[in-house]
Amino acid sequence: QSVLTQPSSVSAAPGQKVTISCSGSSSNIGNNYVSWYQHLPGTAPRLLIYDNHKRPSGIPDRFSGSKSGTSATLGITGLQTGDEADYYCGTWDTSLSAGVFGGGTKLTVL
Amino acid sequence: EVQLVESGGGLVQPGRSLRLSCVVSGFTLEHYAMHWVRQAPGKGLEWVSGISWNSRSTAFADSVKGRFFISRDNAKNSLYLQMSSVRAEDTALYYCAKDFLPQLPMGYMDVWGKGTTVTVSS
Repeated sequence: QSVLTQPSSVSAAPGQKVTISCSGSSSNIGNNYVSWYQHLPGTAPRLLIYDNHKRPSGIPDRFSGSKSGTSATLGITGLQTGDEADYYCGTWDTSLSAGVFGGGTKLTVL
Repeated sequence: EVQLVESGGGLVQPGRSLRLSCVVSGFTLEHYAMHWVRQAPGKGLEWVSGISWNSRSTAFADSVKGRFFISRDNAKNSLYLQMSSVRAEDTALYYCAKDFLPQLPMGYMDVWGKGTTVTVSS
């Protein structure tokens, strides 16, 4: 059972928008920055969003992040088949003194 | 080009030890904290351990605390994970990841390696 809760899967048609939620608590999301990662199993995960809403260079503005209280959200617009992957939220948990990830959300672009 | 290359994975018997290595290039290791993250078969990402730039601060997931030890040698551009008393549940693909910040707690991981596979089985 992950400390951060994400939906196991989401799906949408090409060109549409999808959001992925990440729910935590005051010991993690509530008081620390959230990052988001895109991952195809067996490959290196890719940083999509850091500090709740910032995008690294090279990440298209179709990807966005937000945080409110103890929850965070990843948004992806203009969905492409190449966006099919697993998406993870991550942050630090102050009570655990450990890094934590969500359980991951599998995105299917129908 | 920034690169992280893990090695040292393999088949290990339960209760034995194994040391993973991560050699970095394209950036100055001593400026950044580093982490190990794993993915068990069919499971999600799990943060395992982190170490500050100067090794003065380390942290471990409860699942490995007391069994795994993280270290680094900045002069050799290398990060290590000493795994002891391994269990079947330690079977996973282990990733080395660079933090954006020099200290713990974890900032965010902006560069990742491709991983090395550890299989714990008799």
